[in-house]
Amino acid sequence: AQRVTQPEKLLSVFKGAPVELKCNYSYSGSPELFWYVQYSRQRLQLLLRHISRESIKGFTADLNKGETSFHLKKPFAQEEDSAMYYCALSTTSGSRLTFGEGTQLTVNP
Amino acid sequence: EAEVAQSPRYKITEKSQAVAFWCDPISGHATLYWYRQILGQGPELLVQFQDESVVDDSQLPKDRFSAERLKGVDSTLKIQPAELGDSAMYLCASRRAGQETQYFGPGTRLLVL
Repeated sequence: AQRVTQPEKLLSVFKGAPVELKCNYSYSGSPELFWYVQYSRQRLQLLLRHISRESIKGFTADLNKGETSFHLKKPFAQEEDSAMYYCALSTTSGSRLTFGEGTQLTVNP
Repeated sequence: EAEVAQSPRYKITEKSQAVAFWCDPISGHATLYWYRQILGQGPELLVQFQDESVVDDSQLPKDRFSAERLKGVDSTLKIQPAELGDSAMYLCASRRAGQETQYFGPGTRLLVL
């Protein structure tokens, strides 16, 4: 069975500092990886997916199959980045998402 | 912009009572998901519909939970009888065919006393 691990429940950085949210997964096949974000009082929404290889709001994530990781990075954190971030995995197109437990990011002024 | 709708937003019930949640997906989205999110954890899938058919209910506690999507549009998730451990956020999501993004509703927060 697949599993997603986010080792940090809480992460606090200062504005302008780099930030990295860690995500590791276990799955024997080729998964699709996603990062979802939930801002305060808002619904869960997609931030980015590994297939698109895009940068959203300055965030990037690279799939490392050797280390089975999909870490989320941003070089200069902003206060508006404060939110709960979830890493998620899908084994086939359209199938269920398996989520990690989430990392609460706080960016301090 | 179209959004997934859910009601009620909050529900308090006593154990052994029946409770029902409703979800209206984005128009044209054939796939509908119900997730349960216990406090401090990530969402976990309960059931997935493709149109009106269930395609994944492997994690649904079928002795007390049921879900339907009769006309392939909106959906209802029911719990009978509710137990204390059912207290959680129940999230509905939908997806358009050919796209990977799941769009989530605001959720229904259930508290079982």
